[in-house]
Amino acid sequence: ETGVTQTPRHLVMGMTNKKSLKCEQHLGHNAMYWYKQSAKKPLELMFVYSLEERVENNSVPSRFSPECPNSSHLFLHLHTLQPEDSALYLCASSQDAGNYGYTFGSGTRLTVV
Amino acid sequence: DQQVKQNSPSLSVQEGRISILNCDYTNSMFDYFLWYKKYPAEGPTFLISISSIKDKNEDGRFTVFLNKSAKHLSLHIVPSQPGDSAVYFCAASSSGSARQLTFGSGTQLTVLP
Repeated sequence: ETGVTQTPRHLVMGMTNKKSLKCEQHLGHNAMYWYKQSAKKPLELMFVYSLEERVENNSVPSRFSPECPNSSHLFLHLHTLQPEDSALYLCASSQDAGNYGYTFGSGTRLTVV
Repeated sequence: DQQVKQNSPSLSVQEGRISILNCDYTNSMFDYFLWYKKYPAEGPTFLISISSIKDKNEDGRFTVFLNKSAKHLSLHIVPSQPGDSAVYFCAASSSGSARQLTFGSGTQLTVLP
């Protein structure tokens, strides 16, 4: 148990579906992140939340919609995705985005069909 | 344009020998560097880090070297063990970016018994 839990672990969805990814951290951190990992590419930062406010949105398409209801929970709402959105989506948390690096969850493997 | 580059997608090393993983960066504002290790179906886990005020940091079998003038860092693992087989990500951050991490694309290390 890493302290950051992501559900579901695997998700297959059609292009017209709406689904949500959930992330929960039990570490008392106040910053949370969504990253996308595509095959043989760097981890791409999608969103950053600090103290429950979105502080970064790295030109992510609007079909991805994050939500951070409190400092322990982070969601990524998905709708009308494309096959190229298939990837591993990783949630991470940190304390003040400081020098200690991130704690990552195990990720959600998303397949869009 | 990738700011953190890991030019070797894979590396194979014999058990007991040294593994050297390399990372280059282009952003001179980066002042903190980290290595993460990722096993299949798991999220990345923090391995070792180094501040730009140092040129070496050692933790057991793992040593990270930083050459600021060359904008290059490397991770040395000695002796390598089969359990070290994983994908290794280099990451960098700057104090002006709310400590957000920029990742490389990873190097798959295989340690052969």
